[in-house]
Amino acid sequence: DIVMTQSPATLSVSPGERATLSCRASQSVSSDLAWYQQKPGQAPRLLIYDASTRATGIPARFSGTGSGTEFTLTISSLQSEDFALYYCQQYNNWPPNTFGQGTKLEIK
Amino acid sequence: EVQLVQSGAEVRKPGESLKISCKASGYDFTKYWIGWVRQMPGKGLEWMGIIYPGDSDTAYSPSFQGQVTISADKSISTAYLQWSRLKASDTAMYYCASQSCTNGVCFFEYWGQGTLVTVSS
Repeated sequence: DIVMTQSPATLSVSPGERATLSCRASQSVSSDLAWYQQKPGQAPRLLIYDASTRATGIPARFSGTGSGTEFTLTISSLQSEDFALYYCQQYNNWPPNTFGQGTKLEIK
Repeated sequence: EVQLVQSGAEVRKPGESLKISCKASGYDFTKYWIGWVRQMPGKGLEWMGIIYPGDSDTAYSPSFQGQVTISADKSISTAYLQWSRLKASDTAMYYCASQSCTNGVCFFEYWGQGTLVTVSS
């Protein structure tokens, strides 16, 4: 299985500032990477697919970059509703389409 | 509008069987893979397996192969996740999710609301 490693485990950022979350794959997954947001008590929501394409209805402050083994999710100006858990997932080599362990984005 | 509506919370004893469901609407159920994701209390997301309802082709994570069964009834656009003998360690929230594909690779785009399964004696 491909192992997805996210860093940091917890990120503390002030509202209005930029947040940068990282995801590393144990082998190349090309650009076959998605990012999901999960708020407490809710199902995950797709933010980004194909490493850099925003899903329908996702604000432009969310952006994804990377290919191969290194990926980044950037939130340009944090809003209160952005504080949540974020997961990356590869879908290049399956089964399984492995998830990272998550990054908790918290208010500083 | 695509919707995935899951069955309600369940409480079972160890050793009992269980089948939970996920009813899809708003798209052609037979043409998109649909899968299941486990989230144990306070933990991350785990990909369990998927099914193609058009021909019932399935794929499982090695971690879940033999532990659960994924099935689908295309006549009622519903996918299922089933256990024959539950364990306490199966206590978790289970999400169904349907895939969308680009260039032959697929990701979970739409998610159900989750079904909480509690296994306790």
